[in-house]
Amino acid sequence: GAVVSQHPSWVICKSGTSVKIECRSLDFQATTMFWYRQFPKQSLMLMATSNEGSKATYEQGVEKDKFLINHASLTLSTLTVTSAHPEDSSFYICSARTQSVSPLHFGNGTRLTVT
Amino acid sequence: EDQVTQSPEALRLQEGESSSLNCSYTVSGLRGLFWYRQDPGKGPEFLFTLYSAGEEKEKERLKATLTKKESFLHITAPKPEDSATYLCAVRVGGGADGLTFGKGTHLIIQP
Repeated sequence: GAVVSQHPSWVICKSGTSVKIECRSLDFQATTMFWYRQFPKQSLMLMATSNEGSKATYEQGVEKDKFLINHASLTLSTLTVTSAHPEDSSFYICSARTQSVSPLHFGNGTRLTVT
Repeated sequence: EDQVTQSPEALRLQEGESSSLNCSYTVSGLRGLFWYRQDPGKGPEFLFTLYSAGEEKEKERLKATLTKKESFLHITAPKPEDSATYLCAVRVGGGADGLTFGKGTHLIIQP
């Protein structure tokens, strides 16, 4: 149980374009979903927290207008990287949980390369 | 500021050679310490949650322990398939909801 599916697993886009990443909880309803970013040999850094039906909460230093998060249902959250630039190239990972005391379950990540 | 420090950064062991990975933390209001395993190009895979000092959890060749300042992940008689990066993370109180991760320990088990 507790499977989180993330799509696509990798994407290459040109500078200035937008990219959407989907995160789905397959066998449970996720009250809260989280988006992380991981640079090579670095730890996962929390970008934002989203609750179904409400606006996402962004961590300090993360531009909310650049990283658009939509948590439309209890099983789906999307992250859109708008006007992507090469410095946005990274490994983006989503996670979800059912309630505040449960562990986070992670998707398999999306490798974004902006050329 | 909440901090999570893992050591060593990298560890190379022979198959069957037991060892321990360390995760030290300085946080206020700990609401759980988590261990994850991450394979290259994949998302973290949940291993254990520890909530209070003295607690221990086991799964196959892995055992996690927790004190008030640190956690250890003990690996007994490891196999090559145990090679991965092991991540430690904490969840704190005060309204913060996501996890704060350490940089991980990159473990290589040589046959």
